[in-house]
Amino acid sequence: EVQLVESGGGLAQPGGSLRLSCAASGFTFSSYAMHWVRQGTGKGLEWVSAIGTAGDTYYPGSVKGRFTISRENAKNSLYLQMNSLSAGDMAVYYCVRERSSKDAFDIWGQGTMVTVSS
Amino acid sequence: DIQMTQSPSSLSASVGDRVTITCRASQSISKYLNWYQQKPGKGPELLILAASSLQSGVPSRFSGSGSGTDFTLTISCLQPEDFANYYCQQSYRSPWTFGQGTKVEIK
Repeated sequence: EVQLVESGGGLAQPGGSLRLSCAASGFTFSSYAMHWVRQGTGKGLEWVSAIGTAGDTYYPGSVKGRFTISRENAKNSLYLQMNSLSAGDMAVYYCVRERSSKDAFDIWGQGTMVTVSS
Repeated sequence: DIQMTQSPSSLSASVGDRVTITCRASQSISKYLNWYQQKPGKGPELLILAASSLQSGVPSRFSGSGSGTDFTLTISCLQPEDFANYYCQQSYRSPWTFGQGTKVEIK
């Protein structure tokens, strides 16, 4: 079964850091670009970062310089290092697979909640 | 950045109704437009890719159309399990962007 399972969410203080992980199974992880997408409570979906099969990375302006996406193909794992967290980063974070270049997001994890509070 | 605007933001409909949701891109995205369904407490699920291709396993009552800047998601005969939030998303280029969502509620 094709599956993405996130972990690492929890409570962080404003200005603090958190590292999310995503374990992939059921497909050849190294062959796919991967993304993180977040959703604040009661809000819409916001793309957070992407990493290509060659390790190329992409970020929106809202997180550039604070978040770092990485992958470890040998462990079928995706990561998101989040630094300088603020209340605006509080959301459920989804690990997502991109079907192919310029294609849809076809597999989503169940999400992991990040809370930023003192 | 490419802005995606969905309308309406919410709608009320009855089982058996035909429902249409529109999505407009701030610039041409060819057919790089995808639709997702999200139910409460769950992650989104892919419904339609490349504007009009039905994802495997998705019921045929769902259909998509459009190209360039204007796109439509249609549910031909609304079923109880279709009451959910729907999002469009452009995959033309980074930053990938989503519409603000449409909530389909029971009338």
